[in-house]
Amino acid sequence: DSGVTQTPKHLITATGQRVTLRCSPRSGDLSVYWYQQSLDQGLQFLIQYYNGEERAKGNILERFSAQQFPDLHSELNLSSLELGDSALYFCASSVSTGTQYFGPGTRLLVL
Amino acid sequence: GENVEQHPSTLSVQEGDSAVIKCTYSDSASNYFPWYKQELGKRPQLIIDIRSNVGEKKDQRIAVTLNKTAKHFSLHITETQPEDSAVYFCAASKAPGGGSYIPTFGRGTSLIVHP
Repeated sequence: DSGVTQTPKHLITATGQRVTLRCSPRSGDLSVYWYQQSLDQGLQFLIQYYNGEERAKGNILERFSAQQFPDLHSELNLSSLELGDSALYFCASSVSTGTQYFGPGTRLLVL
Repeated sequence: GENVEQHPSTLSVQEGDSAVIKCTYSDSASNYFPWYKQELGKRPQLIIDIRSNVGEKKDQRIAVTLNKTAKHFSLHITETQPEDSAVYFCAASKAPGGGSYIPTFGRGTSLIVHP
């Protein structure tokens, strides 16, 4: 157990819908990272927050957004969902040394 | 941006053999290189990492080597066991001002250890 939690574990929804994924970092970690993992694209960095502020952006679609709250938990919002958004979504947290600890992931299936 | 190439994509070995996975990176400013193991349906877990001021690091049956000049790094697993079967990802990252390491991952190597 890495100490990072994610909810829900599984999510099934329809195209065009909107979902919210939640992540709680390890105690004391200020950084939260979001990743998308699909079979054909591997592990792709989406976005990073540090102590409530957006710090870095990767290959995140405009339909996706995220935020980090004062208690340091983070949410990833995915809207206007398409079939191709089906994937595993991981969050990870870290201190400044670079080592990232991944949560168990949310498996999203868009039908 | 950074580009990380990882080879091979699949590696099949007999139990007790050694396994080597190689990665190359493009950004000479990258200075932190973690390796993750991901079992089917589970989270990536850090197994070993190396920083650019070190050439080699070992942890029991696992070792990582780094050649900064050639911009490549490798994972070595000795005396492989069936439980080593998993997908292994390398990553290269750097920390620009602010201490945020954003990794670029390789595409992964599926290691299969046959009993």
